[in-house]
Amino acid sequence: DVKVTQSSRYLVKRTGEKVFLECVQDMDHENMFWYRQDPGLGLRLIYFSYDVKMKEKGDIPEGYSVSREKKERFSLILESASTNQTSMYLCASSLPSGGARWGETQYFGPGTRLLVL
Amino acid sequence: KNQVEQSPQSLIILEGKNCTLQCNYTVSPFSNLRWYKQDTGRGPVSLTIMTFSENTKSNGRYTATLDADTKQSSLHITASQLSDSASYICVVTMDSNYQLIWGAGTKLIIKP
Repeated sequence: DVKVTQSSRYLVKRTGEKVFLECVQDMDHENMFWYRQDPGLGLRLIYFSYDVKMKEKGDIPEGYSVSREKKERFSLILESASTNQTSMYLCASSLPSGGARWGETQYFGPGTRLLVL
Repeated sequence: KNQVEQSPQSLIILEGKNCTLQCNYTVSPFSNLRWYKQDTGRGPVSLTIMTFSENTKSNGRYTATLDADTKQSSLHITASQLSDSASYICVVTMDSNYQLIWGAGTKLIIKP
């Protein structure tokens, strides 16, 4: 079974703090993703990574950065947390998409619910 | 604009009843369509995947249909159980760049 774990289930931070969210997968997947999920909206992609040290901006990268130093670990960083970053953050991993359409199923972690005060 | 719209936003049914959730998309070019189930406080889990040539796919009591001509998909749940209470999310993959377009989900509540 694919397992994706996230460092915290719930997190409360103050405006301006630096926040680190960590994600680890154990299936040797090349692709890893960070999404945020807000009520009434579809998942929105923040960043994704298709290999170690590689990253691509998603739809809403502003205010976020990422780090992928090891294949199994993908970190999301909020440089200076703001109240509008209060959200549920979901990490996912998958096999590569190119040339393997069936390999795109994403496996999600349990999510981190972040509250910025 | 590439969009995925799901209806209804929420649905309450009695245990044992059937229900159908809808997904309409305007994504082009189309690669595949997935339905995910997301339990409260959990990440989404894939239920089914359908490509252009498939019009029905079953996974236990879940049956997904796809009409690529009208760009509509449905997820039918038979003999609902309390454990079916969850959000169901439709997501379409673009064929050109494998970008995923996510629907906002349908929140399903099964009442005993």
